[in-house]
Amino acid sequence: EADIYQTPRYLVIGTGKKITLECSQTMGHDKMYWYQQDPGMELHLIHYSYGVNSTEKGDLSSESTVSRIRTEHFPLTLESARPSHTSQYLCASSEWVAKETQYFGPGTRLLVL
Amino acid sequence: AQKITQTQPGMFVQEKEAVTLDCTYDTSDPSYGLFWYKQPSSGEMIFLIYQGSYDQQNATEGRYSLNFQKARKSANLVISASQLGDSAMYFCAMREGLTGGGADGLTFGKGTHLIIQP
Repeated sequence: EADIYQTPRYLVIGTGKKITLECSQTMGHDKMYWYQQDPGMELHLIHYSYGVNSTEKGDLSSESTVSRIRTEHFPLTLESARPSHTSQYLCASSEWVAKETQYFGPGTRLLVL
Repeated sequence: AQKITQTQPGMFVQEKEAVTLDCTYDTSDPSYGLFWYKQPSSGEMIFLIYQGSYDQQNATEGRYSLNFQKARKSANLVISASQLGDSAMYFCAMREGLTGGGADGLTFGKGTHLIIQP
């Protein structure tokens, strides 16, 4: 079982607010990822990180930003939330091994009014 | 073009029957990995099974097995003796360039909604 945590699990917020979605893992994994998933749809990669001080944009363009100051922590920030940001955000991590299975957190369901 | 195709949006299956969920993929990379994840209504993604492109045998994990047909580029998930708790969304995913050691993420299919009926 993976030890990866996300907070909050649910967030309802008004347009224009700044939000930070937290993601932490206790497995010592170097690689971490953020995916966005609309209801009933597939996941899309929006950000990833090779390790501390490394951040890269994923396949899906996103107005969010990420930081990686500590190995275990990979927060995602939206400076000004909009209704189009309403979605589920899933964080994952993996090791530097050939298989690189990604283990996911429970997700944050964001609703922007 | 879709890299991962799951052609069954939804399936209804009787409890205790075996289930096959279809997945075809498209890649020109010789080194890749295929994954299946289960997503219950609570939203978390649960890793089920992995198949590497160079693996000689089909992967198995308990009641889950992967029917890997490399020439056809298919990686179907088989669940034996289905249970009510198997009701969930199931996603097939691929990671290309395994030998490159990059940090790129997974490419997911659109998923299959499986409902197990008593």
